[in-house]
Amino acid sequence: DGGITQSPKYLFRKEGQNVTLSCEQNLNHDAMYWYRQDPGQGLRLIYYSQIVNDFQKGDIAEGYSVSREKKESFPLTVTSAQKNPTAFYLCASIRGMGTTGPHEQFFGPGTRLTVL
Amino acid sequence: AQSVAQPEDQVNVAEGNPLTVKCTYSVSGNPYLFWYVQYPNRGLQFLLKYITGDNLVKGSYGFEAEFNKSQTSFHLKKPSALVSDSALYFCAVSLGGYNKLIFGAGTRLAVHP
Repeated sequence: DGGITQSPKYLFRKEGQNVTLSCEQNLNHDAMYWYRQDPGQGLRLIYYSQIVNDFQKGDIAEGYSVSREKKESFPLTVTSAQKNPTAFYLCASIRGMGTTGPHEQFFGPGTRLTVL
Repeated sequence: AQSVAQPEDQVNVAEGNPLTVKCTYSVSGNPYLFWYVQYPNRGLQFLLKYITGDNLVKGSYGFEAEFNKSQTSFHLKKPSALVSDSALYFCAVSLGGYNKLIFGAGTRLAVHP
């Protein structure tokens, strides 16, 4: 089955530590995205990547870093510079453009990060 | 600036009754509009989208949405609610291409037996 996998499902971090969240897709999608979800705020874009070896900052990139060395993988590192990292993190991908407009984004199951 | 508003934090509906979850948007240019549903501790699932054409869009699980350009709205509807429809619903807008989705804050739908 094609889809997006995220690991781990739950992650606990001590203050001052960097942690990396995994996102893998076997849908052959070109573009991938990382969102952060906080209660009552919807989803906010952290980073996105349209092609391998290229990525752009989203609305809340400070304290985060990404890489896109392979088409199917888009890991997110939450650094110690992120002041309030406790949140639910969602990875998504998109097939690209259809003949009349954009296709929908597919989402992974999410990683819940908690800072102890 | 582009934005999406979901004016209701929660909508309560009795099973079997019709439901409406409201969404209004503000964008410059032609909007591409989406509805997603999220169950607890899960990712978002796509329900339907409006790209162009017929203002009434039909989607998954019996949901539909009506695009109203003059009112800049894209309300989600279902003729007969099920208890299993209880979840968090997000409206989102895109400017197309690989542009980001801009999400509303979400509306929690509670369907009571």
